[in-house]
Amino acid sequence: GEDVEQSLFLSVREGDSSVINCTYTDSSSTYLYWYKQEPGAGLQLLTYIFSNMDMKQDQRLTVLLNKKDKHLSLRIADTQTGDSAIYFCAEKKRGYQKVTFGIGTKLQVIP
Amino acid sequence: GAGVSQSPSNKVTEKGKDVELRCDPISGHTALYWYRQSLGQGLEFLIYFQGNSAPDKSGLPSDRFSAERTGGSVSTLTIQRTQQEDSAVYLCASSSPIGGEVADTQYFGPGTRLTVL
Repeated sequence: GEDVEQSLFLSVREGDSSVINCTYTDSSSTYLYWYKQEPGAGLQLLTYIFSNMDMKQDQRLTVLLNKKDKHLSLRIADTQTGDSAIYFCAEKKRGYQKVTFGIGTKLQVIP
Repeated sequence: GAGVSQSPSNKVTEKGKDVELRCDPISGHTALYWYRQSLGQGLEFLIYFQGNSAPDKSGLPSDRFSAERTGGSVSTLTIQRTQQEDSAVYLCASSSPIGGEVADTQYFGPGTRLTVL
C-alpha cells in the first residue's frame, strides 16, 4: 500500500476554510511537507513541520500533526481562487534522503 | 537562472524511439531527483543523485530507463524504446542537504510532458 495517503478531491467556497488531510505510515519520519502544484507547473514547497512539533502556523496556513495517529492536515484560512491547485503531502524518513509523496489532493475553490 | 529548469517542456515521440530529458538544477545544489507524475498516480520516485556518491536507482521502473549527472550539475534521463505507458510528466528537483532549518527542501522544475504515440 501507499506510504502516504490523501483524498483525491476537495471543493470549497471562496472565503471558507479548507482542510486537506494526509496519513502516513512511518513513525520515524523526520520532516513532513506540504507542496502545492499549480496547473502546468512543478511543485512548490508551501510549508513543512518537524516530527517533534504538533502545530505550525504561517499566515493563512496551519499545519497540524498528530503523531499518535500519523495524521497530518493543512488548513487554509479564507480560501481564495488562487489557492486552487493540487496539494501534496510528503514525508522524509529518518536516515533517508528520499522523500515519499502522496497522490495529491485537488482543491477546487468555487467563487 | 534562479530555479530548476527542464527541457524540452513537451516531447511527443513514437513508440520504440529513444528520448532524452534534461534537467538543470539550482546552482550549488548537490542533490538531484527525478520523478514521474502520471495521471492520477501522484509522484513516483525514479532516481536520486547526491554529490559524487553512487545514485539511488531503486525507483527506475525498468532497464529501459537510465540517468546520468555530468559534473555534478546537469542531469539527463534517457528512456530507450519508449512505450505508451511511459507517457507522463517527468519532474526534476534539486536540494541542498546541508544543515539549516529547511534542509532537504526540494525545488522542482516545471517538468517535461512526454507523450508516446
